[in-house]
Amino acid sequence: AQSVTQPDIHITVSEGASLELRCNYSYGATPYLFWYVQSPGQGLQLLLKYFSGDTLVQGIKGFEAEFKRSQSSFNLRKPSVHWSDAAEYFCAVGGGSQAGTALIFGKGTTLSVSS
Amino acid sequence: DGGITQSPKYLFRKEGQNVTLSCEQNLNHDAMYWYRQDPGQGLRLIYYSQIVNDFQKGDIAEGYSVSREKKESFPLTVTSAQKNPTAFYLCASSIFPKDQPQHFGDGTRLSIL
Repeated sequence: AQSVTQPDIHITVSEGASLELRCNYSYGATPYLFWYVQSPGQGLQLLLKYFSGDTLVQGIKGFEAEFKRSQSSFNLRKPSVHWSDAAEYFCAVGGGSQAGTALIFGKGTTLSVSS
Repeated sequence: DGGITQSPKYLFRKEGQNVTLSCEQNLNHDAMYWYRQDPGQGLRLIYYSQIVNDFQKGDIAEGYSVSREKKESFPLTVTSAQKNPTAFYLCASSIFPKDQPQHFGDGTRLSIL
């Protein structure tokens, strides 16, 4: 079955420090992978996506993610975190036939930024 | 600007009552989705629709119903059969085929009175 695991429920990072949020997926074929960010009480905003090609993808707000097929991972990174990055982050996988174009989401990682 | 509009932002349901959450999009997207979000649970798919007059159950469809009479509209009804409806509900849409990302509305928070 398709699934997404985000091992870290909550991460705290100092402002200006680097960030890496982990995402592992289980999928039977080449996945389509996404990272979304959600501020409290808001909808989800797409940060970046991977469909094919270059395994290092750049997104908005200075985020990037690297697809590693051998590790079934799609970790999100940012070299220097800003206080405004505090939010909940979701990794998602799509492209399967079981539910049309519906995505499967991880349970999310909450990012706190300390000053 | 194109986008997805969910209304109302907050909704309260009495015991035994059906309530309907609105979702409208002007992105000309073919596919629309409803997700339920509970703390620590991520997003779980309730229903989705790839074309007008067609929709499919997701992982947690029991106690919910939908309709897709127009391309731009995909309302969700939370029926009295849903015994634990308190949650944050998110509507999304995407261009069909399947490699396009989904765009989300700002959600509706449903609570029990």
